[in-house]
Amino acid sequence: QVQLVESGGGVVQPGRSLRLSCAASGFTFSTYGMHWVRQAPGKGLEWVAIISYDGSNKYYADSVKGRFTISRDNSKNTLYLQMNSLRAEDTAVYYCAKDLTDGSGTYLFHYWGQGTLVTVSS
Amino acid sequence: EIVMTQSPATLSVSPGERATLSCRASQSVSSNLAWYQQKPGQAPRLLIYGASTRATAFPARFSGSGSGTEFTLTISSLQSEDFAVYYCQQYNNWPPLTFGGGTKVEIK
Repeated sequence: QVQLVESGGGVVQPGRSLRLSCAASGFTFSTYGMHWVRQAPGKGLEWVAIISYDGSNKYYADSVKGRFTISRDNSKNTLYLQMNSLRAEDTAVYYCAKDLTDGSGTYLFHYWGQGTLVTVSS
Repeated sequence: EIVMTQSPATLSVSPGERATLSCRASQSVSSNLAWYQQKPGQAPRLLIYGASTRATAFPARFSGSGSGTEFTLTISSLQSEDFAVYYCQQYNNWPPLTFGGGTKVEIK
């Protein structure tokens, strides 16, 4: 069965960096686009970034563009989110999610990890 | 950016009753509309995609309809396990992929 396990969250000071990881199993990771979606405490869902199955295409929400970098290592079945210049408003649970369809994708969030909490606070 | 607006914010329904949730897009998204269910402390789950195709894990009491800018999620007879927050999401024009603000379905 599909499993997505995020890690790397924690408490970090404003302006600092953090890298999240998402270990994938139960499907052919290298053929699916992957996403990061976040949810601030008590708030709704916000899409953060997408990376194509081969890593050649990446897109970001305006709120994180220039500060966050999505990447993947298909040999390790792992998705990453490098977060730099963190702000208080980046505080959220960060979920990785697998796209519904392989190849070019559908841009739906089919399977989700359990999330990892990032708290940006001094 | 396409803005998704869900109504109502909270829906109070008795078990066994019908629930109707609405989602409106600021411009046409064709049928590229998904619904997700999220229970407290859990990750969201894909419920409906293509506006009306139900994910295999969900029973037939869940149905989606609409196209263009107006969409509806209907739960025909609410069960205790259906009380949750429901989000719509458009995937027609992106980036960004956008969600509605959510509708909380609570026990009346």
